[in-house]
Amino acid sequence: GAGVSQTPSNKVTEKGKYVELRCDPISGHTALYWYRQSLGQGPEFLIYFQGTGAADDSGLPNDRFFAVRPEGSVSTLKIQRTERGDSAVYLCASSLLTDGVGTGELFFGEGSRLTVL
Amino acid sequence: GQQVMQIPQYQHVQEGEDFTTYCNSSTTLSNIQWYKQRPGGHPVFLIQLVKSGEVKKQKRLTFQFGEAKKNSSLHITATQTTDVGTYFCAGGTGNNRKLIWGLGTSLAVNP
Repeated sequence: GAGVSQTPSNKVTEKGKYVELRCDPISGHTALYWYRQSLGQGPEFLIYFQGTGAADDSGLPNDRFFAVRPEGSVSTLKIQRTERGDSAVYLCASSLLTDGVGTGELFFGEGSRLTVL
Repeated sequence: GQQVMQIPQYQHVQEGEDFTTYCNSSTTLSNIQWYKQRPGGHPVFLIQLVKSGEVKKQKRLTFQFGEAKKNSSLHITATQTTDVGTYFCAGGTGNNRKLIWGLGTSLAVNP
């Protein structure tokens, strides 16, 4: 596709349930990032993939959160035993890494809005 | 831990007035990026600055990176209603690919 695609766009679940959020990055982008954003806040880093491996997962808040990218393209963020505090917009971004400094331009998807009741 | 502070948090201007948002880091940055997020939308990349003292312009937008690479600013000349949104700075350190984001400055423009 032309841009980063995220599904579902909205997810309402009950406390304690399991949730999966999917991200399909721009074709050819080797780097993929998950962020979450609460109202009035900036994006909070969760995890970064380079290819299939998680290069940096230091932002995952606890072991209820897990993300995979088995074939180096689509990624799934998995949240177990959801809590009300997990409610936020989960943003996925991809970039075409270069040898230069930093992440390069991040292309964000529209986000998945998670509401835990 | 590493922090990126952004001021002001909110700014209301009359159309045609100038606007500036400032970004300050507690640590030296390797690069800084700026993004714009419209209400209900997702962040959209504006620019990346890498060099000490770097200044870049995009039409009415001027971006600066401080000499010490710990601060940055975004200045908009003669704001328009299309400039409405939240402007975020995001800083990178070392060779890692993790950006530390500011809380953003929300700009409202009165026509």
